[in-house]
Amino acid sequence: NAGVTQTPKFRILKIGQSMTLQCTQDMNHNYMYWYRQDPGMGLKLIYYSVGAGITDKGEVPNGYNVSRSTTEDFPLRLELAAPSQTSVYFCASSQPYLNTEAFFGQGTRLTVV
Amino acid sequence: QKEVEQNSGPLSVPEGAIASLNCTYSDRVSQSFFWYRQYSGKSPELIMSIYSNGDKEDGRFTAQLNKASQYVSLLIRDSQPSDSATYLCAVNNAGNMLTFGGGTRLMVKP
Repeated sequence: NAGVTQTPKFRILKIGQSMTLQCTQDMNHNYMYWYRQDPGMGLKLIYYSVGAGITDKGEVPNGYNVSRSTTEDFPLRLELAAPSQTSVYFCASSQPYLNTEAFFGQGTRLTVV
Repeated sequence: QKEVEQNSGPLSVPEGAIASLNCTYSDRVSQSFFWYRQYSGKSPELIMSIYSNGDKEDGRFTAQLNKASQYVSLLIRDSQPSDSATYLCAVNNAGNMLTFGGGTRLMVKP
């Protein structure tokens, strides 16, 4: 039972480079989320999606883009990487019900130098 | 802005003691509340959820919710060194978006 899978686990980017963080889930969850977690801090919502073809901004969307072409996949795109984007990125998914938990991927540790 | 506030800690308790973790939230329409545990370098994992005022017990964990005071807490009885982690409070409002607090780091000393 894979759950939520993120790739890669680690990545070092140079300033100005671009990359896509991959996230896929096999639980048929409608809702998917991208969070970032800076050292010693909580999780901040970047983008979320309530279903295929529907995405919306969270708390800290600047510098990122997402797409949701299928229920399973929710990639996060970083354009023109900056040192401020150095963080750990978590993808999560949940059912579209109020009293339901979110399941997290194992995270991607990104360093921009 | 919807906010979830936690004391960052660290909260240090001796082994066998009760650890009390607190969380306040600003959005009055919030309806679901979750406690996640996060070990260093790992992803968050759910340990408790609570939706109604009062207490909810699960093993050594008790979640307490007071919607009038906009306050939710987590009690860990008989704390063990393996409980040392960061505990994240999360609040789900009507839009089914989880908003997380900054987390409280708990240290249980043998």
